Amino acid sequence: NAGVTQTPKFQVLKTGQSMTLQCAQDMNHEYMSWYRQDPGMGLRLIHYSVGAGITDQGEVPNGYNVSRSTTEDFPLRLLSAAPSQTSVYFCASSQDRERSTSGNTIYFGEGSWLTVV
Amino acid sequence: DAKTTQPNSMESNEEEPVHLPCNHSTISGTDYIHWYRQLPSQGPEYVIHGLTSNVNNRMASLAIAEDRKSSTLILHRATLRDAAVYYCILRLSRWAYNFNKFYFGSGTKLNVKP
Repeated sequence: NAGVTQTPKFQVLKTGQSMTLQCAQDMNHEYMSWYRQDPGMGLRLIHYSVGAGITDQGEVPNGYNVSRSTTEDFPLRLLSAAPSQTSVYFCASSQDRERSTSGNTIYFGEGSWLTVV
Repeated sequence: DAKTTQPNSMESNEEEPVHLPCNHSTISGTDYIHWYRQLPSQGPEYVIHGLTSNVNNRMASLAIAEDRKSSTLILHRATLRDAAVYYCILRLSRWAYNFNKFYFGSGTKLNVKP
């Protein structure tokens, strides 16, 4: 059971470049989300999804796009990278709380370290 | 939005119990209280959760105040491997307008001294 898989683990971008952070989960979870974590800070929610075809904004959505065409995948797109987007990005997934049999646990990927120069 | 308040940092000696507090005064009746921890250079991992009653598992215990406005994560015997940032979050009911937003905040950084 792979859980939540993020790629790439490390990436360096030049200002203005675009890229996509990939996230996949194999637990058939309805909920998926993206967080960013700046040095010494907590996690801030970027975007989230409650199922295929449904996404919504979190706390810090500007500069990022998401889509959810399948239950398994939830890619995060940086449209035009800026130095302020240098951060560690975490993808997470969880079951619908009312249907959960696993204690409503949120599962996180190992993170993607992104540097924008 | 339902938020939690935690001390920025705490320190403990190895082999001693640790009590990590969390305030969540805006909690509603159907919100679960969750605790996660984040080891250095890793993603957060689940520790424990509860609704009203105190909970125990192999990692920790969770003590929930009677009015549910606060909770305490208890590590019975801290080890060096428990040094991490601990997050207290509210898992909102699906009937809340923002039920699928999980806010982690800054957490409590636990330092364990040998």
